[in-house]
Amino acid sequence: DGGITQSPKYLFRKEGQNVTLSCEQNLNHDAMYWYRQDPGQGLRLIYYSQIVNDFQKGDIAEGYSVSREKKESFPLTVTSAQKNPTAFYLCASSIASGGKGYTFGSGTRLTVV
Amino acid sequence: DAKTTQPPSMDCAEGRAANLPCNHSTISGNEYVYWYRQIHSQGPQYIIHGLKNNETNEMASLIITEDRKSSTLILPHATLRDTAVYYCIVRVSYGGATNKLIFGTGTLLAVQP
Repeated sequence: DGGITQSPKYLFRKEGQNVTLSCEQNLNHDAMYWYRQDPGQGLRLIYYSQIVNDFQKGDIAEGYSVSREKKESFPLTVTSAQKNPTAFYLCASSIASGGKGYTFGSGTRLTVV
Repeated sequence: DAKTTQPPSMDCAEGRAANLPCNHSTISGNEYVYWYRQIHSQGPQYIIHGLKNNETNEMASLIITEDRKSSTLILPHATLRDTAVYYCIVRVSYGGATNKLIFGTGTLLAVQP
């Protein structure tokens, strides 16, 4: 079955360490997105990518980095520059025109101690 | 970017229709209205979307006012499994290619037995 996979589901890191969250899709979607969600809040856009080797900053890109070397993969690195990294991270993908094809992964809950 | 306004919470009796309102008074003519829902600690799930006309699918109905400044999501027979946060979203389009979804804080629908 086609879908979008995020791993791991739970991640713990020490403060000051970089950490990379995985996002893989087999839907043949062109666009991919990373969102952050804090308790009781809506989703905020971190980065998005329309095509391979191209990506743009979202509303809260500071302290994060991404790459898009393959159509299927859009990993997110949370760097030590991110002041408050503990959050729920969601990856999504869509066809280029959007349509109803916004598919979300099940998320990664990152806790930095 | 067009913003949406939703009530923070609503209750509904099991088996009754749930009507979730959304205001989007600054929506542009080519912007779609999307509805997603999120069950706790999962990725958001697509429900329905529309531009001008009312829409219906197996999950819900979407009623958009003639001036497009507001809409209502209708779950015809709410069940306990419909308890979730419901997001009304206006799709922002950039050059017809990338389409970001901007999430607000949504409405927490609590279906009561």
